[in-house]
Amino acid sequence: AQSVTQLDSHVSVSEGTPVLLRCNYSSSYSPSLFWYVQHPNKGLQLLLKYTSAATLVKGINGFEAEFKKSETSFHLTKPSAHMSDAAEYFCVVTLPWNSGNTPLVFGKGTRLSVIA
Amino acid sequence: DTGVSQNPRHKITKRGQNVTFRCDPISEHNRLYWYRQTLGQGPEFLTYFQNEAQLEKSRLLSDRFSAERPKGSFSTLEIQRTEQGDSAMYLCASSSSKGGDTQYFGPGTRLTVL
Repeated sequence: AQSVTQLDSHVSVSEGTPVLLRCNYSSSYSPSLFWYVQHPNKGLQLLLKYTSAATLVKGINGFEAEFKKSETSFHLTKPSAHMSDAAEYFCVVTLPWNSGNTPLVFGKGTRLSVIA
Repeated sequence: DTGVSQNPRHKITKRGQNVTFRCDPISEHNRLYWYRQTLGQGPEFLTYFQNEAQLEKSRLLSDRFSAERPKGSFSTLEIQRTEQGDSAMYLCASSSSKGGDTQYFGPGTRLTVL
């Protein structure tokens, strides 16, 4: 069965420094992978997605993620953190339809804090 | 594009009561999903529809839960005889099978069972 593991439950960075949020996945198929962000009292917003095209995926707000099949990883990065990036981030895996599995499988989330 | 909307945004009820939530997907989306998110956890899949057909249900969806999408547009999620363990955020998402199938989420309905 497919799953994702977010390696850090909480990451704290200073404003202007790089962000790294780690995610490893497990899948029997070629997965589609996503990162979603959830700000307090707001809905989940899609940051970026990987669907077997380019392995380096660029998303909104300066975020990007690199799919590494050999490491089964899909880490999220940003060169310079802003205060507005403070939120909960979810790594998500899904499978092609008709695979007999659930549509989206979420990790437990990583809470990003940005210190001024 | 008005996005996915959910009503109500908050619901407080007493144990044993029935509650119903509504989700209005993005208008051209033919797929609709329900998820549940408890505090400190990621969302967990409950069920999904393609048009009006309910195609998959999670084992999390007990007999007290029922979802409908009668005309292939909006959907309702009903919980009968609510229990304190049902307290959670209920999220709805929609996608288009013709548009890359990316799921777009609504703001959620927060249920508190006293």
